[in-house]
Amino acid sequence: DAGVTQSPTHLIKTRGQQVTLRCSPKSGHDTVSWYQQALGQGPQFIFQYYEEEERQRGNFPDRFSGHQFPNYSSELNVNALLLGDSALYLCASSSRGVSGNTIYFGEGSWLTVV
Amino acid sequence: QQQVKQSPQSLIVQKGGIPIINCAYENTAFDYFPWYQQFPGKGPALLIAIRPDVSEKKEGRFTISFNKSAKQFSLHIMDSQPGDSATYFCAASKSGSGFGNEKLTFGTGTRLTIIP
Repeated sequence: DAGVTQSPTHLIKTRGQQVTLRCSPKSGHDTVSWYQQALGQGPQFIFQYYEEEERQRGNFPDRFSGHQFPNYSSELNVNALLLGDSALYLCASSSRGVSGNTIYFGEGSWLTVV
Repeated sequence: QQQVKQSPQSLIVQKGGIPIINCAYENTAFDYFPWYQQFPGKGPALLIAIRPDVSEKKEGRFTISFNKSAKQFSLHIMDSQPGDSATYFCAASKSGSGFGNEKLTFGTGTRLTIIP
């Protein structure tokens, strides 16, 4: 049973560029959330997708956008990259309607903006 | 607004000792409290979680103690080993079927070092 998978694992971008990160949720999960974890900090909630719609959003600018596909996989897009966007981006999956609220994380995508 | 406060920031314990990490929350709507373990360069891995209807939960060497009236919960690691050296995060969320109930609010993390 595959867990949460993310790609790419590492990438380097230049200020002003755009980046797309990808996530496949754990088998049986239908809800995907994205988190940003800066070095030495706890993960911060970006947004959550369910049934291909953004359901809740954290305190992140519109430069951060996402998408969920019919197979429940998801993408995180960040436009006009800033140096401060350098962080580990984590995808988390869960299953709506299943009691327990267990949330699993992928290994993350390390983004460095130079 | 930091809704989950975690302490200490770092902790050094000898092998076999019992490190204790504490968290306090503000939002009384939270009713799901997981702990995650994170090794360098890896994503957070779920360790153990508790709901407010119990005051303690044990899974292997890991124990969560929960004090609903004080809005505090803590992680104890029994018989700690050097392999337990990692960063530990507490988190909180609301359960139920409403949207947003998978949103985790994390503490700031505790860097735990177990020395042989």
